[in-house]
Amino acid sequence: DAMVIQNPRYQVTQFGKPVTLSCSQTLNHNVMYWYQQKSSQAPKLLFHYYDKDFNNEADTPDNFQSRRPNTSFCFLDIRSPGLGDAAMYLCATGEGFWLGEQYFGPGTRLTVT
Amino acid sequence: AQSVAQPEDQVNVAEGNPLTVKCTYSVSGNPYLFWYVQYPNRGLQFLLKYITGDNLVKGSYGFEAEFNKSQTSFHLKKPSALVSDSALYFCAVRDVGNTPLVFGKGTRLSVIA
Repeated sequence: DAMVIQNPRYQVTQFGKPVTLSCSQTLNHNVMYWYQQKSSQAPKLLFHYYDKDFNNEADTPDNFQSRRPNTSFCFLDIRSPGLGDAAMYLCATGEGFWLGEQYFGPGTRLTVT
Repeated sequence: AQSVAQPEDQVNVAEGNPLTVKCTYSVSGNPYLFWYVQYPNRGLQFLLKYITGDNLVKGSYGFEAEFNKSQTSFHLKKPSALVSDSALYFCAVRDVGNTPLVFGKGTRLSVIA
C-alpha cells in the first residue's frame, strides 16, 4: 500500500546531541511537510518542500533544518536539541499545497534527556 | 491571519447516539476547511474537506460536516457514534494566498458503550 513511513518511531537523544529523523513516501507527492506536535496541542508546521523548493515558517527555530534529496525522502535535522524540543514529529505529504488533503506518517516521538 | 477554534476539549457521547464536534474559523477570504482524526500513537488521518459547493460534506467512516458561512462554523457530525470513533479530532483551515494549513487544538471524543 502507498504510504508515508517515518523512522524511527521513537528516538531518544541527549541534550545538545544532533539528531536526524527520516520520512519516506511511496505516494509520489510533490509536497512534503514537517510538523511538531507537543502533548495535547495542535500540530505546528515547521517547514515544507514543494518539489525542491524549501519553505520555512517564520517562527521555526534555526535549530531545525531539513533536507529533501529526492521526491521520496525528507529529513528533519535538529542540530542541538533542547528539552523543549521533546515532541512528536509528524511528516506529511500532499499532491498540491492549496486544496489537497495531507497524508500523515505515524510520527516519531523524540525524547531529550 | 487565519485561525480555527475548537471550543470543546472533550466530548462524551453514548454509542449509537449522534455526535457533533464543533469548529469555528476566521479567514480573510474564502475558507478551505478540513477535518482530521488522530488515534493514539498514530499520525493524522484525513476525514473530509470543504472547498466549494454543497454546504454538507460527506467523508470517511460515516462522518459529515456542515459548512455555515454566516456562523463561520464547520461542525463535524455523525448520526450514530461507535466506540471505535473514540479519538482526537482536529479541524483545520487554510486561507487564500501562500498560507499554511492551521490546525485547531483538537477535541477528544469519547464514545461510551
